Amino acid sequence: EVKLVESGGGLVQPGRSLKLSCAASGFSFNDYWMGWVRQAPGKGLEWIGEINQDSSTINYTPSLKDKFTISRDNAQNTLYLQMSKLGSEDTAIYYCARRGTTRVYWYFDFWGPGTMVTVSS
Amino acid sequence: DIVMTQSPTSMSISVGDRVTMNCKASQNVGSNIDWYQQKTGQSPKLLIYKASNRYTGVPDRFTGSGSGTDFTFTISNMQAEDLAVYYCMQSNSYLTFGSGTKLEIK
Repeated sequence: EVKLVESGGGLVQPGRSLKLSCAASGFSFNDYWMGWVRQAPGKGLEWIGEINQDSSTINYTPSLKDKFTISRDNAQNTLYLQMSKLGSEDTAIYYCARRGTTRVYWYFDFWGPGTMVTVSS
Repeated sequence: DIVMTQSPTSMSISVGDRVTMNCKASQNVGSNIDWYQQKTGQSPKLLIYKASNRYTGVPDRFTGSGSGTDFTFTISNMQAEDLAVYYCMQSNSYLTFGSGTKLEIK
């Protein structure tokens, strides 16, 4: 069974940094692109970015490129999201998701339950 | 950035209704669009990929169509368990989600 579990969320002060983790199991982690998506309270989904299998390609939504860093550890089957200079606008549920594939097309086929990040003093 | 505009924002529907919602891209995205369902308190779930392909296990009452800039998602026979917010997402140039269409019971 494919399972993704995010951790590391919580209350953080404005301007501080936070690192989220996503533990993957039930599939060959190093065969898949992985991504992060967030959702502010009562709002829609926002793509943060994605990383390929060997970390040689990492794409970000332009507005977050200078604040967020995506990485992965294939030996630990774990995806990471390093967030810096956090502001109230970063308060959201953060989801990790697997980029499933038909070999010519990619989609988010499995999602974790999400971890809540609240930025407040 | 490619902007995805979904309409309507919300719909009041009855069980058994045919439901149609739209997604318009600010530029040509080919067929590179997916549809996701998100129920309250849950993670999103993939329903349709590459505009019209139903994902594994998705009931055939869910269909998607369109190409280029205009896309349609249809639920042919609305069920109570289909109450959710539905999002389109383009993957032609990076990834962008639409703002969602919320289905509510009339």
